[in-house]
Amino acid sequence: AQSVTQPDIHITVSEGASLELRCNYSYGATPYLFWYVQSPGQGLQLLLKYFSGDTLVQGIKGFEAEFKRSQSSFNLRKPSVHWSDAAEYFCAVGARAAGNKLTFGGGTRVLVKP
Amino acid sequence: DTAVSQTPKYLVTQMGNDKSIKCEQNLGHDTMYWYKQDSKKFLKIMFSYNNKELIINETVPNRFSPKSPDKAHLNLHINSLELGDSAVYFCASSPYQGGNTEAFFGQGTRLTVV
Repeated sequence: AQSVTQPDIHITVSEGASLELRCNYSYGATPYLFWYVQSPGQGLQLLLKYFSGDTLVQGIKGFEAEFKRSQSSFNLRKPSVHWSDAAEYFCAVGARAAGNKLTFGGGTRVLVKP
Repeated sequence: DTAVSQTPKYLVTQMGNDKSIKCEQNLGHDTMYWYKQDSKKFLKIMFSYNNKELIINETVPNRFSPKSPDKAHLNLHINSLELGDSAVYFCASSPYQGGNTEAFFGQGTRLTVV
């Protein structure tokens, strides 16, 4: 069974500083990986996804993530954080089996200091 | 036009009541889901339907019964509500089942059982 770990529950970053959110997954084959963002009181919005190919993927809102098979990681990065990036971020792995079940990590809450 | 819409957005009800949450997607997707987000923001899949057929049922109590009248709708009926059912319930859809496809989420329904 697949699983996802996001080691950091909270991260506080100053506006304009860089951000990196960690994600480690456990899955028996090549995973399908996703990062979603949830703003307060809102649903989840996809930031980016990795299925195959180039291990550095670009997403919306200036985010990027790098798939590292050797480390079973899919960390999310942004070079310069804006106040509007304050939200909850979820890493997820998709199952190849029927049903397209997404297994989510516990989330990382990002707070942005002015 | 909202891609995945859920109603109601908020639902407050007493223990023992029966309630329903409705979900509709206008994306033409084949696969729909219900996810539950608990008070610690942990997201877990409950059900998945593909073309009105139940694909995933993740050991959810029998009090929860999904119904898919057509592939654009997936409703969730909950009998005999308990305090522990309080959570945010998200509906989602994806083009097809298989893992390598993005899920689009609704805004969520915050259920509070008192």
